[in-house]
This record gives sequence, C-alpha cells and structure tokens, in this order.
Amino acid sequence: AQSVTQPDIHITVSEGASLELRCNYSYGATPYLFWYVQSPGQGLQLLLKYFSGDTLVQGIKGFEAEFKRSQSSFNLRKPSVHWSDAAEYFCAVGAPHYKLSFGAGTTVTVRA
Amino acid sequence: DSGVTQTPKHLITATGQRVTLRCSPRSGDLSVYWYQQSLDQGLQFLIQYYNGEERAKGNILERFSAQQFPDLHSELNLSSLELGDSALYFCASSVDRDGDTQYFGPGTRLTVL
Repeated sequence: AQSVTQPDIHITVSEGASLELRCNYSYGATPYLFWYVQSPGQGLQLLLKYFSGDTLVQGIKGFEAEFKRSQSSFNLRKPSVHWSDAAEYFCAVGAPHYKLSFGAGTTVTVRA
Repeated sequence: DSGVTQTPKHLITATGQRVTLRCSPRSGDLSVYWYQQSLDQGLQFLIQYYNGEERAKGNILERFSAQQFPDLHSELNLSSLELGDSALYFCASSVDRDGDTQYFGPGTRLTVL
C-alpha cells in the first residue's frame, strides 16, 4: 500500500527567506505525486503535480518541487516566501492517480 | 474560489443521527470525490463517482453512502453517527474519470455531540 510521510509538522520561516518542505513516499510503482495547500477555512488548492518527465516541476505561486526516485522524495521549495504563504501544505500520492493518499501535512508560519 | 460548492458549511448533530452533505461540482466536471479530514486520521479518500457511477472506494465506512445524481451533484449520507465521525468533509471534482487535477470545495464541518 502507498503512504506519504511529511517529517515536519510545523515550520517557521521569515518573510523573504527560502522554504523547503519535505515529502517521502512509499509506493511500488511509478508514483503520481501532488502538493496541495490549505489556507485557514479553505479547501485544498493544487500547487503542482508530477506524473512523468522532467523531475523538476513548476507550480503556481512560485513553488517548485523535485522528484527524486532514488530517495523516494518529492520536496517542495520556494525561493522567497511571502506572508500569504502561511498555510498548511499536504503532499499526496495517487495510487492510482485519482485516489489520493495524503501526508499528515506541514503547517508553515511566516514571521515578519 | 474553486467553483465547487458544498452545503451546509457547518452541521452539528447528535450521536445516532443521520445527515446528508451536498456537493455541486464545477460546471462541466463529471467526477466527484469525497474526502474526510479528521485530527486523528488526517485526510482520507472516501469515494469517487464518475458520471453517476461509483468508480473508486477508499476508507469509507459501511454507515456512510454516497450517490451522484443526473445533474452531477453528489450527496454523502452519514448514518448512526458517532463522536469519531466529527470531521471536515471535502468534496472535489475533476473533468474526467482519472482526476489528474481535482478541485476542492470549502468543506462541511460536521460536529457530532
């Protein structure tokens, strides 16, 4: 069975600093990987997804993620965070790709 | 705004009761997905409907059932409610059956007292 681990429950970052959120997955076949963001009181919004091809994926809001098969990882990055990036971030694996299995989430706090 | 609407926003009920949550997908989307988000279980996939037919099932309890109607809206029925059913229930939709991109609604918060 597939599973997703987000090792960091909470990350605090200064505005303008870089951000990296870790995600490790376990899945026997080629994974379909996603990052979603959930702002307080809102539903989830898709930031980016990886199915195949270039292992560096660009998403919305200036986010990118890199798929590393050897490390079973799909880490999310942003070079310079804005206060509006404060939210909860979820990594997910689709197995199959329409049945999403989510990690526990990482809460990001942005300090001025 | 994702274009997916869910009603009601909040629901408070008692143990043993039955409730119905409603979801309207984005215009043109044929697939509807239901997810449960709780503190102890996290975000879990419950079930998917595509064009009126059940397509995939996840960790959905037997006390829960869903359906998708001809106008493509969907309802999730929860019966014999228990305290542990308190959660945020999300609906998502996608244009096709494979759900490459799922658009999530704002959720219905269910509190069982």
